[in-house]
Amino acid sequence: EPEVTQTPSHQVTQMGQEVILRCVPISNHLYFYWYRQILGQKVEFLVSFYNNEISEKSEIFDDQFSVERPDGSNFTLKIRSTKLEDSAMYFCASSEAGVAGGRTSTDTQYFGPGTRLTVL
Amino acid sequence: DQQVKQNSPSLSVQEGRISILNCDYTNSMFDYFLWYKKYPAEGPTFLISISSIKDKNEDGRFTVFLNKSAKHLSLHIVPSQPGDSAVYFCAASLMNRDDKIIFGKGTRLHILP
Repeated sequence: EPEVTQTPSHQVTQMGQEVILRCVPISNHLYFYWYRQILGQKVEFLVSFYNNEISEKSEIFDDQFSVERPDGSNFTLKIRSTKLEDSAMYFCASSEAGVAGGRTSTDTQYFGPGTRLTVL
Repeated sequence: DQQVKQNSPSLSVQEGRISILNCDYTNSMFDYFLWYKKYPAEGPTFLISISSIKDKNEDGRFTVFLNKSAKHLSLHIVPSQPGDSAVYFCAASLMNRDDKIIFGKGTRLHILP
C-alpha cells in the first residue's frame, strides 16, 4: 500500500541552524501538509500546499518556515534559524484531493511516520 | 484554543469488550470529523471519518457516532483487540477550510488481556 515517507527520522541541530525536513508524499496525491506535535501536546497544523503554492498556513508558520516542492516527488519543510521551541515531531501528510465538489474519501489526509527534531 | 476536546487522556478496556472513545467540539462550522490512530514512533493513521450530514458510519469493528446537537462524537471499537492499544486522535475540519485538520489531544487506549 502506498505510504508517505519522511527523512530523516531524527534530526538534532544547534539553535540558530537551518534544517530541512523531507517528505515523499503518495505519488498520485496533489495536496501536501505539514503538522507538528510538541511533546505532550496535540498535533498542530502548520501549512498546506497545492499547485506549487501555499494554500493555508497557521500562525505558527512564520517567516522562519518555508515549504517547497523542488521536484515531482519531494516536499520539504525548511526552518531557517531554529529555536529551542521548534523541538517537536514534524509530520508530513498528503491527500489525493481537497474538498472541491464535496467530501469524499479522496480528501483524507495520510500521514508519514514523522521526523523528530531536537534543537539544542 | 481547544476546538476539539478529548477529555479522557487514557482508557483501559478488557480484550473482547467494547471500547468507547469520546470527543467534543465547540465549533458548529465543522463539517467533517475523523479518527486517527497513532502508535509510538509512527505518524497518525486514518481510521474512519464521518460527514456532518450523517450520524453514524461503520467500518468493520469501528463505528463513529455523531451527535450534532450535543457537538459530540464517539468511536466504538468492538470487539477490542490487543492491537487496538494506541493513541486515538479525534479531528475535525471546517466547512470551506478543507486544508486544515484540527486535532484533539488524544486518548491513549490500553487493551487489557
